[in-house]
Amino acid sequence: AQRVTQPEKLLSVFKGAPVELKCNYSYSGSPELFWYVQYSRQRLQLLLRHISRESIKGFTADLNKGETSFHLKKPFAQEEDSAMYYCALSPRATGKLIFGQGTTLQVKP
Amino acid sequence: DVKVTQSSRYLVKRTGEKVFLECVQDMDHENMFWYRQDPGLGLRLIYFSYDVKMKEKGDIPEGYSVSREKKERFSLILESASTNQTSMYLCASSSPLDTYEQYFGPGTRLTVT
Repeated sequence: AQRVTQPEKLLSVFKGAPVELKCNYSYSGSPELFWYVQYSRQRLQLLLRHISRESIKGFTADLNKGETSFHLKKPFAQEEDSAMYYCALSPRATGKLIFGQGTTLQVKP
Repeated sequence: DVKVTQSSRYLVKRTGEKVFLECVQDMDHENMFWYRQDPGLGLRLIYFSYDVKMKEKGDIPEGYSVSREKKERFSLILESASTNQTSMYLCASSSPLDTYEQYFGPGTRLTVT
């Protein structure tokens, strides 16, 4: 079955602390994986995709096929990073996205 | 800038009513999607469409139908609203040139009483 699991509903850290938002997936094949973010009172938007291997707003995510994980990391959290984060998987050639349950990141001053 | 608009931000309906949620995108995208967003469950795909007059069931289509008569418009219909359909509904669109980036609307919070 194709599934995305985000085990943490809420992650609360202090400003300047490292952040790791966990994402595990279940997919038979090579997945396309993404992180979407929803800031307060804003629309859900794409944050980054694994194939681009870039850092967006200081966030990176590495695909670990052995552990079937795609954790989102940032070395030093900022208050403006507070948001809901969704990990998503796209089955190849479908254009669809399968989302995880979401993790709320709260960065305290 | 891609703009996806939804007809209502908040909607309150009674059980048994027929409900229409409208979504319009202005970027000539072929693909359009309807999701519901619930705490602890994330986003779940209800229906999607790859072209005018085409529709495909998502993961939770029961109790819903859709209509896509024009490329820019994708409507979600609740034939007989029930309280368990109280939720936030999100519409999204994407281009076949980059199917992975979906552009989302602001959402409609539907309450069924």
